[in-house]
Amino acid sequence: ETGVTQSPTHLIKTRGQQVTLRCSSQSGHNTVSWYQQALGQGPQFIFQYYREEENGRGNFPPRFSGLQFPNYSSELNVNALELDDSALYLCASRRRLSEDNEQFFGPGTRLTVL
Amino acid sequence: GQQLNQSPQSMFIQEGEDVSMNCTSSSIFNTWLWYKQEPGEGPVLLIALYKAGELTSNGRLTAQFGITRKDSFLNISASIPSDVGIYFCAGFHGNKLVFGAGTILRVKS
Repeated sequence: ETGVTQSPTHLIKTRGQQVTLRCSSQSGHNTVSWYQQALGQGPQFIFQYYREEENGRGNFPPRFSGLQFPNYSSELNVNALELDDSALYLCASRRRLSEDNEQFFGPGTRLTVL
Repeated sequence: GQQLNQSPQSMFIQEGEDVSMNCTSSSIFNTWLWYKQEPGEGPVLLIALYKAGELTSNGRLTAQFGITRKDSFLNISASIPSDVGIYFCAGFHGNKLVFGAGTILRVKS
C-alpha cells in the first residue's frame, strides 16, 4: 500500500509570487485535506477535497486554492505569497463516508518565502 | 472555533519512565487521534479513538477517549530514546481535524 506522497520537499519563493504544491493520496483514499504548520505549532486545517470539490475550509483567505483530480491526487495553490506563508504544508488523505476516520499525512513541503 | 488545549507543553524524562499527556476541549469531538511528529517529517498516526470511554493500546502506548467526549489522554510506558518527538492530539469536528499545540518529549538515556 502506497502512502501519501508530496512534492516538492522544499521550495523557496519570493513575496508576491505564486506556488503550487502537489499531493498523491494513499491508495484507496478518496478525500484529501491540506494543512499549514508554522514552526512550533500544530497543523492548521486549510481545506478538504472530495469528489474533486472543496468540502470544508478553514480560516484561510481565497488566495489559498486547490484542486482534486479524478485519481484523487490534489494541488494546493497559493497566490500573492506573503512572508507569513512560510511553513510546512501537509497533505493528508482518508476514506470518506466510512466509519474509519483515520487520516494519514504525507511528509510535507517546506515553503520559505523571502 | 474549536480549540484543543494540550498539556504539558514539554517533558524531559529519564529513559524507562512512564509519560502521560492530555488534551481537553470546550467542544465535543466524535473522534480523537494521537499523532507523533519527528523533525522534517509529517505527523504519524499512533492511535485512533472512536467511542466515549474507549481505552486503546498500541504497544507501549495507551490512549483513552474521555466520557464527556471533551478530553483524551495518552500514556507511554517505559520510555525509550526513540520516543523523542512532538506528540499531537487531534479531534474531528465535521470534516475538520483540529490539532492541539503539541507536547515536546525529550528522553534522557
